[in-house]
Amino acid sequence: QVQLVESGGGVVQPGRSLKLSCAASGFPFSSCTMHWVRQAPGKGLQWVAVILSDGRTEHYADSVKGRFTISRDTSKNTLYLQMDSLRTEDTAVYYCARELNAFDLWGQGTLVTVSS
Amino acid sequence: QAGLTQPPSVSKGLRQTATLTCTGNNNNVGNQGAAWLQQHQGHPPKLLFYRENNRPSGISERLSASRSGNTASLTITGLQPEDEADYYCSAWDSSLNAWVFGGGTKLTVL
Repeated sequence: QVQLVESGGGVVQPGRSLKLSCAASGFPFSSCTMHWVRQAPGKGLQWVAVILSDGRTEHYADSVKGRFTISRDTSKNTLYLQMDSLRTEDTAVYYCARELNAFDLWGQGTLVTVSS
Repeated sequence: QAGLTQPPSVSKGLRQTATLTCTGNNNNVGNQGAAWLQQHQGHPPKLLFYRENNRPSGISERLSASRSGNTASLTITGLQPEDEADYYCSAWDSSLNAWVFGGGTKLTVL
C-alpha cells in the first residue's frame, strides 16, 4: 500500500526539541524527493523543508533555517525532521509529502504544539 | 519568504463555473507553472494539477488548469457540493530555492 505515516508529534515547551518521523511504504522511497509542509491551526499550508533523493541536498524555509534539520534513512524508508529551539509559532500539523510530481502523496499529519 | 497571492474566498452556485487565480512572479509561477491542491476540512491536501496543467490520474475532467504570465488559474465546471473545499497553489521559487504556497482560496458552493 502506497502511504506515508507521520509520528512524533506532541506538546513541547518553547526552546525544547522534537523529532518527527515519516514512514514510507509501497514506493521506491530512496529515489524520491521528500518534503515537510506544516499547517498552523486554522491557517494555510506552509512549506518547511525538502531533501532530494541524493540525501545530501536540502533546502529550508527562512522561518526554520538553522533550527530544523531534514534527513532520511533509506534503509528504514523513513524521513525525519529534527526541530530544535522550538517557538510557539511552530505550532502546527506537520505533513510529510512526496514529490514525484509536485506534492503528489501526503501523510495524515502529526500535531506539534509548542506551549509553556 | 513571499508567498503566492490567492483570493481568500470564492462563492458560486451549484452547477456553475468557478475560476480561482494564483499570482506569483517570474521566479515561481512564471517559470515552471504552479501546482494546485485541494483540502477538505480535517483531511490532508490532495494534488489536482502539477507543472501548470498536468492532471494526476483520478482527478475529474471538470477541473482544468492554465497559466498566463505570472498568474495560474484553476477552473471547475459544473460545481458540485463536494467541490466545496480550500484550494492552494504552490510553485518552486528558483530565486529563493524554496517552495512557496498561496494563502488558499475557500470555495463555497451555494
